[in-house]
Amino acid sequence: DADVTQTPRNRITKTGKRIMLECSQTKGHDRMYWYRQDPGLGLRLIYYSFDVKDINKGEISDGYSVSRQAQAKFSLSLESAIPNQTALYFCATSDNLPVKGEQFFGPGTRLTVL
Amino acid sequence: DAKTTQPPSMDCAEGRAANLPCNHSTISGNEYVYWYRQIHSQGPQYIIHGLKNNETNEMASLIITEDRKSSTLILPHATLRDTAVYYCIVRGSGNTPLVFGKGTRLSVIA
Repeated sequence: DADVTQTPRNRITKTGKRIMLECSQTKGHDRMYWYRQDPGLGLRLIYYSFDVKDINKGEISDGYSVSRQAQAKFSLSLESAIPNQTALYFCATSDNLPVKGEQFFGPGTRLTVL
Repeated sequence: DAKTTQPPSMDCAEGRAANLPCNHSTISGNEYVYWYRQIHSQGPQYIIHGLKNNETNEMASLIITEDRKSSTLILPHATLRDTAVYYCIVRGSGNTPLVFGKGTRLSVIA
């Protein structure tokens, strides 16, 4: 089984709808991240969490919110989806060792907002 | 974290060494150089990281210049499965998430 899972893998929705993307991990890591990727570009950080009680905004948090329900779960919500949020979304985890800093990524969720 | 500059694309013949350069002229003393790659639209995958010394693992070698202003990722015998976007990232040892640029698209040609 995959260490970092994302659901759904693909989603098509309409403008104005509320959408939740879910991420679960079995690696026992405290740190979790949400990134988005647009065609031809690198990943941009949306939100990150260093433990259950910690939530931090990333580079492009506007229009998004997150919830860290447990150590293993980190959800990303789009309260009112708009077309320019169409993108590939990745969840990632890492341990608390700042030097190693290896991040493990999920398979991604492809979101299309019509 | 210091910015990095990478060529947008490179080609490499299958079986040859792929040498991917990265400039990070503003790197500070406590910042590490990380390399990740992303195959097609999969999640990025960690390759290697280093501070000052050259590093080698089962996937690649990382050569960091003495002044640390640039580095090279070496895939010793590139295969078609190494075709991917390769990201060079500079990151401090503190609590900072990885910041991805556009990377280098490596195409391994048969």
